Amino acid sequence: EAGVVQSPRYKIIEKKQPVAFWCNPISGHNTLYWYLQNLGQGPELLIRYENEEAVDDSQLPKDRFSAERLKGVDSTLKIQPAELGDSAVYLCASSQYGTSVTGELFFGEGSRLTVL
Amino acid sequence: GENVEQHPSTLSVQEGDSAVIKCTYSDSASNYFPWYKQELGKRPQLIIDIRSNVGEKKDQRIAVTLNKTAKHFSLHITETQPEDSAVYFCAASKGYSTLTFGKGTMLLVSP
Repeated sequence: EAGVVQSPRYKIIEKKQPVAFWCNPISGHNTLYWYLQNLGQGPELLIRYENEEAVDDSQLPKDRFSAERLKGVDSTLKIQPAELGDSAVYLCASSQYGTSVTGELFFGEGSRLTVL
Repeated sequence: GENVEQHPSTLSVQEGDSAVIKCTYSDSASNYFPWYKQELGKRPQLIIDIRSNVGEKKDQRIAVTLNKTAKHFSLHITETQPEDSAVYFCAASKGYSTLTFGKGTMLLVSP
């Protein structure tokens, strides 16, 4: 079975440009997460979806970041406009019922963004 | 919200030695504590987890202990091997809330 798939793996853009990341979770996983991972740091939650509903987006910088999960399957995370400080790895993860029931988050390989 | 502190930030051991990584959490209601391993350039993967109704869990060379009173939990790796070299993250959550991760510990096992 395929794991969590993310694209692109790498993206280099100039500041003020837009960028979008795509994630396809494991089939049947209703919970999807976008995490931000800065170099040498742990993952930090940006947004969590239960099916198509965003249930935790308190850490998402809504002035420039947006996300959607149409039909409760794959998801897109967008940044517009990108800033130098947005350079990081954007990790997507999925789980079947949320961490409380099954425990395990399955992560994708991540999308590494470099803003010049 | 939850705050998870992790120590040390780096840990170097000789092959065959034991390694211990410690985490503290702030929310006494947290009840789920997983550990993830992230090899260089790869995705984080769950290696072991523990829930608040148990004090210790073991899986071959790795074990996790939980002290709810002190609000800390630890990862123990025995008989370390070079392939154990990676960054290890602890995390905590309560109920159906999202995991909060520590900042990670880079473990280097020298042959």
